[in-house]
Amino acid sequence: EAEVAQSPRYKITEKSQAVAFWCDPISGHATLYWYRQILGQGPELLVQFQDESVVDDSQLPKDRFSAERLKGVDSTLKIQPAELGDSAMYLCASSSIVNAEAFFGQGTRLTVV
Amino acid sequence: GDSVTQMEGPVTLSEEAFLTINCTYTATGYPSLFWYVQYPGEGLQLLLKATKADDKGSNKGFEATYRKETTSFHLEKGSVQVSDSAVYFCALSDQAGTALIFGKGTTLSVSS
Repeated sequence: EAEVAQSPRYKITEKSQAVAFWCDPISGHATLYWYRQILGQGPELLVQFQDESVVDDSQLPKDRFSAERLKGVDSTLKIQPAELGDSAMYLCASSSIVNAEAFFGQGTRLTVV
Repeated sequence: GDSVTQMEGPVTLSEEAFLTINCTYTATGYPSLFWYVQYPGEGLQLLLKATKADDKGSNKGFEATYRKETTSFHLEKGSVQVSDSAVYFCALSDQAGTALIFGKGTTLSVSS
């Protein structure tokens, strides 16, 4: 069964350091999402890609966060510099053009110390 | 803007009890509605969905009916198991391709 792959699963980083997360969506899925989930809350959208183009990054803190999907396949989310408040689960999801449902990866648990 | 409101948890039940988790939504159009489940330390898995009014989504004994008149999509299961213990999220999407908007989640704990 096709899955969304994310790495790493866990990341501990010091405040002010740079950190990056990688996501490989289900093959053929044109839409890719990055969500942030704070403990005890629902996921909140950070950025949405359609192929290699950003569709929605209105909630992305652009002073420290960046995201790219250069060839319209896999994607990288970067934080620089990391802050204590960035500790959260970062979830990647993908969907096809036809269906609204999104398929999620296992997430990257980030802890900033 | 669009939003989803779920009943607050935790919900604590004994095995074989009946489960209801309430979900209501606010949307300008005709959204698709979803229930996702998240097990500890994992990502979200789609549990069921409904794309138009009066549709019933079902999976693994869980059911939810899209009620446009009450803007609700309540999750039900007739007999819960310990393995159902997880966090359940109600979500909506305005149309195919738009990002999901999630509720805050409801934690279900089932004891034997």
